[in-house]
Amino acid sequence: AQSVTQLGSHVSVSEGALVLLRCNYSSSVPPYLFWYVQYPNQGLQLLLKYTTGATLVKGINGFEAEFKKSETSFHLTKPSAHMSDAAEYFCAVSDMNSGGYQKVTFGIGTKLQVIP
Amino acid sequence: NAGVTQTPKFQVLKTGQSMTLQCAQDMNHNSMYWYRQDPGMGLRLIYYSASEGTTDKGEVPNGYNVSRLNKREFSLRLESAAPSQTSVYFCASYRSGRSSYNEQFFGPGTRLTVL
Repeated sequence: AQSVTQLGSHVSVSEGALVLLRCNYSSSVPPYLFWYVQYPNQGLQLLLKYTTGATLVKGINGFEAEFKKSETSFHLTKPSAHMSDAAEYFCAVSDMNSGGYQKVTFGIGTKLQVIP
Repeated sequence: NAGVTQTPKFQVLKTGQSMTLQCAQDMNHNSMYWYRQDPGMGLRLIYYSASEGTTDKGEVPNGYNVSRLNKREFSLRLESAAPSQTSVYFCASYRSGRSSYNEQFFGPGTRLTVL
């Protein structure tokens, strides 16, 4: 069984400030971890993913996340928030089902507000 | 390359009416998925199709049926719509094979209101 907990359904930051969105997961097998972004009235778009290898993962739009196995965390960060970062962010975890398909469990999402 | 497309974008139904949500992908992906998104609940899996010709229930399948018509198309049917099915529905596809793929591609969503 796998699950995802996103701490804070709403986060507000000032433009130019650090963005930190928290995600903790549980998984019975080594996890694949994802962050997706959803802009208003759009579908989800992959920001970044961790599968194996380097634990610090860089994504699009200046975002990065670090996989910390000991803390079961995969927090998303960006050094300097931009107005265009205002969106909803979803953390997700999956393992590879033996059938070759991917079953993904999503967190409830964090809405990021950027204040000018 | 259109990716994942969904029709319609918006729909309003009355309780008891039926409808089919259409989804197609042009990326030659094997597996496809239907999710619903509700405020404060994230995305929940309704049904999935690991490959052409197979379908399986997800977390919240009650009140829905699906058809994997061919490799490209995966439809979701509401036989008798209920207000509890008011939601945003997303279709996604996934390319199985190499572990480095590991990404689901999402359609733009269908916003359904049941009165």
